[in-house]
Amino acid sequence: DAGVIQSPRHEVTEMGQEVTLRCKPISGHDYLFWYRQTMMRGLELLIYFNNNVPIDDSGMPEDRFSAKMPNASFSTLKIQPSEPRDSAVYFCASSLGPPWGEIQETQYFGPGTRLLVL
Amino acid sequence: GQSLEQPSEVTAVEGAIVQINCTYQTSGFYGLSWYQQHDGGAPTFLSYNALDGLEETGRFSSFLSRSDSYGYLLLQELQMKDSASYFCAVRDNYGQNFVFGPGTRLSVLP
Repeated sequence: DAGVIQSPRHEVTEMGQEVTLRCKPISGHDYLFWYRQTMMRGLELLIYFNNNVPIDDSGMPEDRFSAKMPNASFSTLKIQPSEPRDSAVYFCASSLGPPWGEIQETQYFGPGTRLLVL
Repeated sequence: GQSLEQPSEVTAVEGAIVQINCTYQTSGFYGLSWYQQHDGGAPTFLSYNALDGLEETGRFSSFLSRSDSYGYLLLQELQMKDSASYFCAVRDNYGQNFVFGPGTRLSVLP
């Protein structure tokens, strides 16, 4: 398997523009996660899906952020409008099952999208 | 809510053994995970402890004490390629999130 695929790998945009990040999970994985990583805040879980359904979006910073998973092989994270403080590395990850609990499954991360908002 | 504490940096020499500690505070507990991340790379899963005790995976081992809300990652026979950041992570029974610690940057010297 090719692993988790993310696009674009790098994105530079201007404040106020819409940004869409894309993710293709590993085939057969039922869980999909979106993370954000910055020096100041570390690695944060934004939202996760189980079987394409959003389960927990408590980490989404504000209404400017939205995530969708229209099918089992594709998810998007959208920021509209973008702001300089959104500059970060955004990771998508997937797993067969939850990466916690008695039946813990390994979570596999994609290479990340490096977003710079000017 | 949850909070985790890790040392910010650790330095050791090749061939040595190093221990990276993690203490956590959660309103419940559902397992402690460890991840490795090289500079510019993505986190990769290393180990998981749901119960007390030691889990061994090659040169890496992870330990958990639920009564002490404490765990550690033990790296043996250190190699230069082990230079990376190491994160512990937890989810608790009552929270709805999966929280990563601040990370420990390990530098392995020749």
